[in-house]
Parts: sequence; C-alpha cells; structure tokens
Amino acid sequence: KQEVTQIPAALSVPEGENLVLNCSFTDSAIYNLQWFRQDPGKGLTSLLLIQSSQREQTSGRLNASLDKSSGRSTLYIAASQPGDSATYLCAVTTDSWGKLQFGAGTQVVVTP
Amino acid sequence: DGGITQSPKYLFRKEGQNVTLSCEQNLNHDAMYWYRQDPGQGLRLIYYSQIVNDFQKGDIAEGYSVSREKKESFPLTVTSAQKNPTAFYLCASSWDRSYEQYFGPGTRLTVT
Repeated sequence: KQEVTQIPAALSVPEGENLVLNCSFTDSAIYNLQWFRQDPGKGLTSLLLIQSSQREQTSGRLNASLDKSSGRSTLYIAASQPGDSATYLCAVTTDSWGKLQFGAGTQVVVTP
Repeated sequence: DGGITQSPKYLFRKEGQNVTLSCEQNLNHDAMYWYRQDPGQGLRLIYYSQIVNDFQKGDIAEGYSVSREKKESFPLTVTSAQKNPTAFYLCASSWDRSYEQYFGPGTRLTVT
C-alpha cells in the first residue's frame, strides 16, 4: 500500500530565506505527483504537477523535483514571503482512476 | 469564472440524520472526487467518478453514498451509518489521471 510522508510536520523561517519541503513515497509506480497549498479553513490550491517521466517542474518562485526511483520529491520556494505561510501537501497518483494518496502536510510559517 | 463550488460552507446536523453535500463544476471535467480531511491527517478518498452514472468506492466509503446523474454535479450523502461524520469535506475534479486535480472550497460538517 502506498504511503506518503512529509517531514517536517512544521517549519518556521524568516522572510527572505529559501524554503525546502520534502515528500517521500513508498511505491515508485506512480503516474504523477502534485503539490498543493492549503490556507486555514480553505480548499486546496494546486501549485505544481510533475508527471512520472519528468525530473522537475517550475512556476515562478516554485520549483519541484521528482526522483521516482528513490521515492522522493522536494518543493523549493525561493525568497520566502509572509504570504507563503500555509500548509503544503504533496500527493501521488497511483492508479488509472486518478486517485490521489496524500501526505499529512508541512505547516509553514514565514516570519517578517 | 470556471471552477468548483461546494455548498454550504458550514453544515450542522443532529446525530442520526442524513445530510447531502453539494459539489458542482463548470470546468467540463470528466472525473470528480470526494475527500475527507481530519485534523493532523492527510486527505482520504471517499468516492470517485470517471463518467456519468458510474462511480467507485475509495478508501473510506462506508457510511457515504454518491450519485453522478450529470457531468457537472457529484453530490455526497453522509448517512447515519457513518460513525464519525464531523470533518472537512472537499470535492475535486480533473480531466483524467494525467492532469491536475482542482479542489472546491470545502464544506465543514459538524454532527452533534
């Protein structure tokens, strides 16, 4: 059974520092991996989708890498801002129905 | 504006009552999903549907039911058989497994 782990569970950094968020998964047979952001009491906002054949994906200050063989993905957020404070979730697609298996998330606080 | 709407935002029910949560999308997506989120846990899949009049059980389908009579609508009924119904419920949709899943704003259900 696929298990997705995100460490650490919480992270606090000063504004301007780069953020590094980790996601690991136990079964490398994935279709893709998606990173999301969730603000308190809100739905999820999709940040990046990496297909299993890709090594990385970039959008603005965000860059996500994928190493399928080792079961790892890393989300980098450059020059963090207080507005980046949120919970970040990663999820993998493991079947033809598109079912997502989620990690528990990393709660990020960026202090001014 | 294209997107996913969920209503209501907050829902309160007495134990023993069935309740239906609404999910509508105007993205013309084929696939729709229902997830449940509990504090400190990742999202867990309840039901999903790839096409009209067809749906599949997810990891925690017991005590829930769904219908998919129209492409744009995927309502979820929380029945009295669900032992711990208090949670945050999120609906999502996508083209298929190769594409991003987009999420609605969620419905917070409280059963007392």
